[in-house]
Amino acid sequence: QSVLTQPPSVSGAPGQRVTISCTGSSSNIGAHYDVHWYHQLPGTAPKLLIYGNSNRPSGVPDRFSGSKSGTSASLAISGLQAEDEADYYCQSYDSSLSDWVFGGGTKLTVL
Amino acid sequence: EVQLVESGGGLVQPGGSLRLSCAGSGFTFSSYAMSWVRQAPGKGLEWVSGISGYSGSTYYADSVKGRFTISRDNSKNTLYLQMNSLRAEDTAVYYCAKGHVTVATASLYFDCWGQGTLVTVSS
Repeated sequence: QSVLTQPPSVSGAPGQRVTISCTGSSSNIGAHYDVHWYHQLPGTAPKLLIYGNSNRPSGVPDRFSGSKSGTSASLAISGLQAEDEADYYCQSYDSSLSDWVFGGGTKLTVL
Repeated sequence: EVQLVESGGGLVQPGGSLRLSCAGSGFTFSSYAMSWVRQAPGKGLEWVSGISGYSGSTYYADSVKGRFTISRDNSKNTLYLQMNSLRAEDTAVYYCAKGHVTVATASLYFDCWGQGTLVTVSS
């Protein structure tokens, strides 16, 4: 059971917009700790997608955007492309556990 | 180009030990916190352990505390994870990850990952 809760799966057609939620609590996201996002293509290592709630590293398309409000965060992907099909993970810090924590992951399927 | 290359994985019996290594290049290794993150087969990511850059302060998930030891040799640009008393539930791909801290909120995230090394604990 992950401290950060994500939907197991989401899907969308090419060109559409999808969002992936990451729900935490008062000891992590709600305690003003930043949320970061990673994606993982099948058989490969995770790769940073969004840091500090809404910042994109160099090279990440602006189709990817992040936001945070209260005890939740969201990753939005617009103009969905076939190569976006991957697993997506949110990450933050939890003060009760004194650990860095990941969400359980969301599998994005492009229909 | 920043690169992280893990090694040392393999098959080990329950109760056994293994040491993982992660060689870093393309950045000032000693300036950055480093972590180990694992992924059990078909499962999500789990942060395992971390170590600060200069001071060498160490941090562990409860699931490995007392069994795993993280260390680094900045002269060799190498991160280590000594794993003792291994259990079946430790079976996973272990990734080495470079930490980066946001300026505004001192929040740690992982901006570069190695390719991973598989550890299988089985008799």
